[in-house]
Amino acid sequence: NAGVTQTPKFQVLKTGQSMTLQCAQDMNHEYMSWYRQDPGMGLRLIHYSVGAGITDQGEVPNGYNVSRSTTEDFPLRLLSAAPSQTSVYFCASSYDGTLSGNTIYFGEGSWLTVV
Amino acid sequence: EDKVVQSPLSLVVHEGDTVTLNCSYEVTNFRSLLWYKQEKKAPTFLFMLTSSGIEKKSGRLSSILDKKELFSILNITATQTGDSAVYLCAGLIYNQGGKLIFGQGTELSVKP
Repeated sequence: NAGVTQTPKFQVLKTGQSMTLQCAQDMNHEYMSWYRQDPGMGLRLIHYSVGAGITDQGEVPNGYNVSRSTTEDFPLRLLSAAPSQTSVYFCASSYDGTLSGNTIYFGEGSWLTVV
Repeated sequence: EDKVVQSPLSLVVHEGDTVTLNCSYEVTNFRSLLWYKQEKKAPTFLFMLTSSGIEKKSGRLSSILDKKELFSILNITATQTGDSAVYLCAGLIYNQGGKLIFGQGTELSVKP
């Protein structure tokens, strides 16, 4: 049981490049989400999904794309990277929406730098 | 617009001090208030508060929620250097996939 696995852990991109941050969970969780965290700030929701085939936007969706073709995977795509997307990205998953807080599982984070 | 505000943004104390961290929220379809501790990695869960006025405790940490005044506090007694971290509170929105609205965090530094 690996929990929530994010890859890569570190990445440097050039402005304009595209890339995909991978997130996978092996707990059969319906709910998955992506957050970004900038220095001195809390986490901000980018996109989330309540099940396979269903996604929705969070607070800061611009410049990012997601899909949820399987329950296990929730990749985050940067379409054309910009320096403003330099951040730490966290993926999270949970069994359902009415949950106890310690059943929201976070990945270990992906540090992305756009130069 | 949903909003969670924490204060203070940073705090420096000495070992043995008691600290109180504040969190106010305006969250539509609010279900619960969560507290996390973050040390240069993913947040780790501390408390989830759903009912008003019921204190939750874990060792030297305790927290309570006031749903009338829309705020929560996190208390840490007899602080230790290992308590140094960023403390985040977040509002959980009902039935939206574990959707959390985070505050900006309080950075606590405990000096020996």
